[in-house]
Amino acid sequence: KAGVTQTPRYLIKTRGQQVTLSCSPISGHRSVSWYQQTPGQGLQFLFEYFSETQRNKGNFPGRFSGRQFSNSRSEMNVSTLELGDSALYLCASSLIGRSTGELFFGEGSRLTVL
Amino acid sequence: DQQVKQNSPSLSVQEGRISILNCDYTNSMFDYFLWYKKYPAEGPTFLISISSIKDKNEDGRFTVFLNKSAKHLSLHIVPSQPGDSAVYFCAASESGNTPLVFGKGTRLSVIA
Repeated sequence: KAGVTQTPRYLIKTRGQQVTLSCSPISGHRSVSWYQQTPGQGLQFLFEYFSETQRNKGNFPGRFSGRQFSNSRSEMNVSTLELGDSALYLCASSLIGRSTGELFFGEGSRLTVL
Repeated sequence: DQQVKQNSPSLSVQEGRISILNCDYTNSMFDYFLWYKKYPAEGPTFLISISSIKDKNEDGRFTVFLNKSAKHLSLHIVPSQPGDSAVYFCAASESGNTPLVFGKGTRLSVIA
């Protein structure tokens, strides 16, 4: 069974640009969550989607947005990039949501903003 | 306001000895706790979990203890192996109705 797939794995952008990251969940999983990991800050929750609906949103500015498609694939977008957006962006999927809390993570997309 | 705290950024343990990783939480509504392990260049992987109705859960070399009155949990790894060297994240949730809240992680180094 294929795991969570994130693309691209690495990317470099400059300040002011925008970026779109993609996540394909494990087959059959309907919930997709996004987390930002920066050194010393652990994993910060960005948002969660279930059946194409945003179910929760973390404490991030409006420059961060996301969506989920009917096949459960998800994308997140960051506009007007800032240096502080440099981070590892992790996507995680789960079967039906958060009832057990267990998430299956992808390898992440490492974004560097210059 | 950090709801899940891992106060030790790093820990070094000799191979064969016990590793104890600690985690504190402030939200009394949390009732489900998990530990994830993360190797470099990989995503976190689920290790072990515990519900608030229990105070201990064991899986092979890994045991998680929960002290609800102290709002504290710990992960014990016995015996520690070099392959256990990774960053360990503690996470918590509220009855499955909120997203997982993660701590900042503890880097465990098991020295051969």
